[in-house]
Amino acid sequence: EVQLLESGGGLVQPGGSLRLSCAASGFTFNSYAMNWVRQVPGKGLEWVSGISGSGGSTYYADSVKGRFTISRDYSKNTLHLEMNSLRAEDTAIYYCAKDLSGVVGASGVGSWGQGTLVTVSS
Amino acid sequence: QSVLTQPPSVSEAPRQRVTISCSGSTSNIGNNAVNWYQQLPGKAPKLLIHYDDLLPSGVSDRFSGSKSGTSASLAISGLQSEDEADYYCAAWDDSLSGWVFGGGTKLTVL
Repeated sequence: EVQLLESGGGLVQPGGSLRLSCAASGFTFNSYAMNWVRQVPGKGLEWVSGISGSGGSTYYADSVKGRFTISRDYSKNTLHLEMNSLRAEDTAIYYCAKDLSGVVGASGVGSWGQGTLVTVSS
Repeated sequence: QSVLTQPPSVSEAPRQRVTISCSGSTSNIGNNAVNWYQQLPGKAPKLLIHYDDLLPSGVSDRFSGSKSGTSASLAISGLQSEDEADYYCAAWDDSLSGWVFGGGTKLTVL
């Protein structure tokens, strides 16, 4: 059974940094692309970033490009999202999401974690 | 404003059939597969339909998907109260090099 467990969310001041992690289990980690998708409570879904199964290709939404960095640790089967220069509009629930294939954009998100809340406020 | 356009809400009586539309462009739906997600209140989204019309294992066959040109649709037949949820369409956008979602449709079972 696929399990995705996010951690690292919390309250951070504008301009600050935060690192989200997602511990993955129940599948061959290096065979699947991984994504981060966020959702402002009560609002719609917004894709944030994706990384291929090999880690060789990364993609970002324009809204976070240059501020967020996605990475994966194959030794720990963990996905990360390094978030810098945080803004109030980054406040959202961040979901870790497993792709259906090893290539970002080929198939889409198949499994989702339960999410971790990031609040950017002074 | 979302790249993919969905109606904000739909409603129908139990045991009836409802469809939810998703409109895009040639850079997304017109050239790539569409996925549909169901989000129950307070829960994470769940994959409902992938590759336009395929049901993942475990998803009820009351759900079906279709696509024509730059538009896609999700149909739910035999509506049940537990189908009340938010539904989202998604597709890869070649111009943006990223996934785009519809704004979501809230289904109410009357």
